[in-house]
Amino acid sequence: AQTVTQSQPEMSVQEAETVTLSCTYDTSESDYYLFWYKQPPSRQMILVIRQEAYKQQNATENRFSVNFQKAAKSFSLKISDSQLGDAAMYFCAYRSPYSGGGADGLTFGKGTHLIIQP
Amino acid sequence: DTEVTQTPKHLVMGMTNKKSLKCEQHMGHRAMYWYKQKAKKPPELMFVYSYEKLSINESVPSRFSPECPNSSLLNLHLHALQPEDSALYLCASSSYGTGVYNEQFFGPGTRLTVL
Repeated sequence: AQTVTQSQPEMSVQEAETVTLSCTYDTSESDYYLFWYKQPPSRQMILVIRQEAYKQQNATENRFSVNFQKAAKSFSLKISDSQLGDAAMYFCAYRSPYSGGGADGLTFGKGTHLIIQP
Repeated sequence: DTEVTQTPKHLVMGMTNKKSLKCEQHMGHRAMYWYKQKAKKPPELMFVYSYEKLSINESVPSRFSPECPNSSLLNLHLHALQPEDSALYLCASSSYGTGVYNEQFFGPGTRLTVL
């Protein structure tokens, strides 16, 4: 079974600065997918960024980028130019591509609560 | 329309009640999911439906009974719940297949309180 670990229960950053959220995972699979989801107080889970394990290039979505280190099984999220609207719980998630049913659930880390200081 | 809707937003029920949660999507997705999220915890997978058939049941107690009557609708029937079942219940949907772009779209959840 896969596990996802987020070692930072809470992080705080000044508005307009950069913050990095950590995520490590454990798996015996060679191919897999990794995601960062954001859950603001409104509770709606929103996909922030995704990464395929066999792609070495780090994914980027506007102010969000990842540092994917496959050998180290590390998948950190960097948020540049932090904005007040970035305040939320951030979950790192893993999904296996090897599902007999063609659909598989996500395995989530425990989450990091991100606070943006104005 | 890239929205997953869930009703009701809030539900309070007694341990002897029977209630249902509803989830709907019109994105043509053929995979739908129920997750349970306790306060300050990550979501935990409960059920997966693929093409309206139950494909994954994560050993969920029988007091939770899922149903997928058509490709757009997913229900979760609740009966004889316990106070520890109080949680946020999230529904999600995705295209069938496990490619990285088959992302799961989540609904806003139903906040369930069992008295």
